[in-house]
Amino acid sequence: GNSVTQMEGPVTLSEEAFLTINCTYTATGYPSLFWYVQYPGEGLQLLLKATKADDKGSNKGFEATYRKETTSFHLEKGSVQVSDSAVYFCALSDRGRDDKIIFGKGTRLHILP
Amino acid sequence: DAMVIQNPRYQVTQFGKPVTLSCSQTLNHNVMYWYQQKSSQAPKLLFHYYDKDFNNEADTPDNFQSRRPNTSFCFLDIRSPGLGDAAMYLCATSRGDGFSGNTIYFGEGSWLTVV
Repeated sequence: GNSVTQMEGPVTLSEEAFLTINCTYTATGYPSLFWYVQYPGEGLQLLLKATKADDKGSNKGFEATYRKETTSFHLEKGSVQVSDSAVYFCALSDRGRDDKIIFGKGTRLHILP
Repeated sequence: DAMVIQNPRYQVTQFGKPVTLSCSQTLNHNVMYWYQQKSSQAPKLLFHYYDKDFNNEADTPDNFQSRRPNTSFCFLDIRSPGLGDAAMYLCATSRGDGFSGNTIYFGEGSWLTVV
């Protein structure tokens, strides 16, 4: 079956540091890939997505590239801010009608001023 | 403006007392989902509707039920809440038009406390 594995947290960085959160997936088909972010006490928001191999999703300085050969979708940001502190979920969706999404376990990110 | 609206944001209920959480959407999406999220865990899908077609996840307890009276509204009913049901419940929607990579839109969540 389909699954998502992402690096365990928490990840603690200083402001302006470089961020990488690793994500790999297993899928029987050709999924779409997502990063969602959850700020404290809130629901999930889409951060970025990619729907085919070599696509790069980007938003708010975050980037992730769909790598089919390594089944990965790592999240990166060149210079993090305190406001980026949140939980980040990698996810995949198969190409079925119902858009069902499978989440990784989430990575909590703490940015220190 | 919020597109997926959940009410109430915070609900306290007594052990065993039925509770209903509501969700409405302004997106006219075909699919509505209910997720349960416990502290420091990923959201867990309970069930979803594709239009009026109900789809239950295999491991969702019978204690959890859902209704979707029309496109815009969906309800989560917990018939006899136990202490283990304390969690945040997330409603979400998506187009469900067969296009790969549709975004799922989440509400702000409803926090349930069982006392």
